[in-house]
Amino acid sequence: AQSVTQPDIHITVSEGASLELRCNYSYGATPYLFWYVQSPGQGLQLLLKYFSGDTLVQGIKGFEAEFKRSQSSFNLRKPSVHWSDAAEYFCAVGARGYSTLTFGKGTMLLVS
Amino acid sequence: DTAVSQTPKYLVTQMGNDKSIKCEQNLGHDTMYWYKQDSKKFLKIMFSYNNKELIINETVPNRFSPKSPDKAHLNLHINSLELGDSAVYFCASSQSGPSFRANTEAFFGQGTRLTVV
Repeated sequence: AQSVTQPDIHITVSEGASLELRCNYSYGATPYLFWYVQSPGQGLQLLLKYFSGDTLVQGIKGFEAEFKRSQSSFNLRKPSVHWSDAAEYFCAVGARGYSTLTFGKGTMLLVS
Repeated sequence: DTAVSQTPKYLVTQMGNDKSIKCEQNLGHDTMYWYKQDSKKFLKIMFSYNNKELIINETVPNRFSPKSPDKAHLNLHINSLELGDSAVYFCASSQSGPSFRANTEAFFGQGTRLTVV
């Protein structure tokens, strides 16, 4: 069974600084990987996804993520954080043959 | 136009009551889901339906009964509500195809915050 680990429960970043949120997954084959964002009291919005091909994927709101098979990682990055980026970020993995997602426990981003 | 809509957004009820949460998607997707987000923000799949048929039931108590009258709707009925049922419930949909070879992204509703008192 697949699993996702987001090692950081909270991260605080100054506005304008760069951001990296970590995500590690466990899955026996090539996974499908996603990053979702949840603003307070809101639903989940997809930031970006990786299915295959180029390992550096671009998403909405200036986010990008890089799939590194050797490290089983899919870290989310943004070069310059805005105060409106403060939210909960979830990494998720889906497996070929299944359409459900396994989520990490989330990382809360605080912007100072 | 809301892609995945859930009603109600908030639901406060007493223990032992029966309640329903409705979900509708206008994306033409063939697969719908219910996820539960607990107080620690952990999201976990509860059910998955493809073309109105149940395909995944993740060890959810049988007090929870999903119903899919058509592939655009997936409602969640909960009997004999317990304090531990308090959570945010998210409906989602995706287009997965008959053999789930293509795993596309899921679109989520805004969530229903259920509070059992």
